[in-house]
Amino acid sequence: EPEVTQTPSHQVTQMGQEVILRCVPISNHLYFYWYRQILGQKVEFLVSFYNNEISEKSEIFDDQFSVERPDGSNFTLKIRSTKLEDSAMYFCASSGYRVSYEQYFGPGTRLTVT
Amino acid sequence: QQQVKQSPQSLIVQKGGISIINCAYENTAFDYFPWYQQFPGKGPALLIAIRPDVSEKKEGRFTISFNKSAKQFSLHIMDSQPGDSATYFCAARLDQGGKLIFGQGTELSVKP
Repeated sequence: EPEVTQTPSHQVTQMGQEVILRCVPISNHLYFYWYRQILGQKVEFLVSFYNNEISEKSEIFDDQFSVERPDGSNFTLKIRSTKLEDSAMYFCASSGYRVSYEQYFGPGTRLTVT
Repeated sequence: QQQVKQSPQSLIVQKGGISIINCAYENTAFDYFPWYQQFPGKGPALLIAIRPDVSEKKEGRFTISFNKSAKQFSLHIMDSQPGDSATYFCAARLDQGGKLIFGQGTELSVKP
């Protein structure tokens, strides 16, 4: 069964460093999303991406964040200068067609900022 | 307006019992309501979902009941099993962009 994959599973970085989180969405899916989950809290929307551009972003997704689909398979989230409060699980999700609605999530990347 | 309120925060059920988790929303622009199951250290897994033109959807032991006028929906897990012990999140989808708004989550523990 097709699934969303994410790498790395765990990333430790120092405050102020740049990190890139990688995702491979389900092939032939067209809509891509990043969410984050701070430990013990709910899942929060960060950004949606379609047709090589951002569709919508939350107030969390400030200028320190960027997304990119560098090729036909990968979808990346970059945090330019990490802060302690960026420590969270980051989930990538994808869906096929808007009408299908279902979003499938990857296993997540645990980001720890020290 | 974009919040989804979920209760209870935690739930303990005996094996074989019925687990019931409730969610409420305000925004009538939500057009799709999925439930996700999450095990520790894993990503949310889509469990079952419903659209607002349907009042109930059943898949195996899992049933969503949807009350459009009350703006409430609930997940019922029949014959709950220890393997169902996980955190359950309700969510609601806003059509523009398709983002999901999640509830706070319910930690379910099914005792043998």
